[in-house]
Amino acid sequence: GAVVSQHPSWVICKSGTSVKIECRSLDFQATTMFWYRQFPKQSLMLMATSNEGSKATYEQGVEKDKFLINHASLTLSTLTVTSAHPEDSSFYICSARKGLTGSSPLHFGNGTRLTVT
Amino acid sequence: AQSVTQLDSHVSVSEGTPVLLRCNYSSSYSPSLFWYVQHPNKGLQLLLKYTSAATLVKGINGFEAEFKKSETSFHLTKPSAHMSDAAEYFCVVTNTGTASKLTFGTGTRLQVTL
Repeated sequence: GAVVSQHPSWVICKSGTSVKIECRSLDFQATTMFWYRQFPKQSLMLMATSNEGSKATYEQGVEKDKFLINHASLTLSTLTVTSAHPEDSSFYICSARKGLTGSSPLHFGNGTRLTVT
Repeated sequence: AQSVTQLDSHVSVSEGTPVLLRCNYSSSYSPSLFWYVQHPNKGLQLLLKYTSAATLVKGINGFEAEFKKSETSFHLTKPSAHMSDAAEYFCVVTNTGTASKLTFGTGTRLQVTL
């Protein structure tokens, strides 16, 4: 199988603080990981593509200084929400591609529910 | 360019009856297509995928989907619904390039009643 572990599963933080979310591929190496944001009853919105050993590629409209992504190894990518505000409250999901081509499916973590108070 | 349309935002079936979740796609290249399921407050689980091999694809939990190029469709079916199938289902399209991104449909919420 292909397991992706995301931690924490939920977090509550105060406005102005930073929160780090980890995404690990447990039984495979992933050169590319993806970070999504999902609003209630909506589909997933791609935030950024995380590339091992290089800078992340952000989607249009996503603030790269606010959502810091680090992909330091082939099994770990982190998303840090800096200076969080209540509007950042959302469900964040990471995924990792096991193969090298687009026909390889993505494997998803269980998501992180972020609540900013 | 690529896009995917899930024709029903909500489907309700009785337990034991067939399930049909509809998906149409458009793609400039030969597409890869996936169906994922999401239970509340969980990530997405891969049900099945089509990648230009057999057009009828069997997945987990009794689900299957048929790729119909002439109709640009990739509908998801199951002969007999179970209560545990109640969840959100996403149809996803991508191309086979290494830099390909996934395009998600808006999702179909499946409700299963007794």
